[in-house]
Amino acid sequence: ETGVTQTPRHLVMGMTNKKSLKCEQHLGHNAMYWYKQSAKKPLELMFVYNFKEQTENNSVPSRFSPECPNSSHLFLHLHTLQPEDSALYLCASSQETGRETYEQYFGPGTRLTVT
Amino acid sequence: LAKTTQPISMDSYEGQEVNITCSHNNIATNDYITWYQQFPSQGPRFIIQGYKTKVTNEVASLFIPADRKSSTLSLPRVSLSDTAVYYCLVGPFSGGYNKLIFGAGTRLAVHP
Repeated sequence: ETGVTQTPRHLVMGMTNKKSLKCEQHLGHNAMYWYKQSAKKPLELMFVYNFKEQTENNSVPSRFSPECPNSSHLFLHLHTLQPEDSALYLCASSQETGRETYEQYFGPGTRLTVT
Repeated sequence: LAKTTQPISMDSYEGQEVNITCSHNNIATNDYITWYQQFPSQGPRFIIQGYKTKVTNEVASLFIPADRKSSTLSLPRVSLSDTAVYYCLVGPFSGGYNKLIFGAGTRLAVHP
């Protein structure tokens, strides 16, 4: 248990569906991240939120839409996905002081299958 | 960000010490070296971080030579539960946020 929870843990959706992934951190951190891990590929950073402001969008297609309503919650809204979007989506959080960088705490991930 | 190179896979047996070496020839002055561990279908977990010389915590040691162009993660007396993928990351100890760039990692298999 890392203090970062993700729901759902598994999701199967069709290409025309709209769904959302939820992440919640109970650590009091001020930065949250979305990563994508496809089969046989390294983790890819998708989005970063620092103090609720998006500070990184790593060339992610617009069919992925992040939302960070407060520093404890992070959503990833999905619509019209493609089969190649099937992957493990990981959320992480960290405490950034502006002067040094700390470890990231990862959630268990959501295993997404697009049919 | 500095690129890292590490073995794709390693095998070991229970009770042995495992050393995983990572090369990072173009490491920058303000870069730190961090190792994460990942089990199947789970998120990565921080193991250890260092800048130079040796760092030790309750689970591992990290050896960094003076030129910092490589680093070695040492796992003492591994058990079956240490079977996982181990990632070496190099990045700036800077403010803003920690932009971790993951490589392929080293898949460690511990055998009985």
